[in-house]
Amino acid sequence: QITLKESGPTLVKPTQTLTLTCTFSGFSLSSGRVGVGWVRRPPGKALEWLALIYSDDDQSYNPSLRSRLTITKDTSKNQVVLTMTNMDPVDTATYYCTHRDFGEYYFLYWGPGTLVTVSS
Amino acid sequence: QSALTQPASVSGSPGLSITISCTGTTSDIGHYGYVSWYQQHPDKVPRLLIYNVNSRPSGVSSRFSGSKSGNSASLTISGLQAEDEADYYCMSLTTSRTLVFGGGTKLTVL
Repeated sequence: QITLKESGPTLVKPTQTLTLTCTFSGFSLSSGRVGVGWVRRPPGKALEWLALIYSDDDQSYNPSLRSRLTITKDTSKNQVVLTMTNMDPVDTATYYCTHRDFGEYYFLYWGPGTLVTVSS
Repeated sequence: QSALTQPASVSGSPGLSITISCTGTTSDIGHYGYVSWYQQHPDKVPRLLIYNVNSRPSGVSSRFSGSKSGNSASLTISGLQAEDEADYYCMSLTTSRTLVFGGGTKLTVL
């Protein structure tokens, strides 16, 4: 059974760096070209794909946010970390981590999401 | 990359069918068969309805179906039910190996 859960601060100040952790179980990110991704949804707006990291450490980023995002993995802890620099109030959103199966480009498994508010 | 284009809203009466369109380009929908659709109720986690254009995950009703033609994809919901009222999103792989969502469509069941 695959599960994922996001953790991190609920409130960050403008210009700060956000660090979110996705802790998962039910699969390994050390082989098989599986992946873990991040998606966000600002209040009243659409879903937005942010980044994806594969088991071979290959990474893919939303081009619009590439300069601000870094995604890394710690296979020993079954965790993926997303950092986003220079946070702005428009980055207020619910952030979800997701599972990507081998060879596929859809998200069947999602974490429950974590709401991050950017405010001074 | 630009978001895929979806109508902001659609509506339909119970028992009838609706179709939500999702328009992309030759660099995403038109290039690959990796289109997926998600349903999201308020304050809930997105749920996968359709993957690889027209495949349904286990447990998803056969009332949901997907198709693709050229640079556009569509989600059809038949036999509308009150519980179908939600936001719907398409997503596609791009030739840059990134993923892109549509702008979302709010479905109202009249």
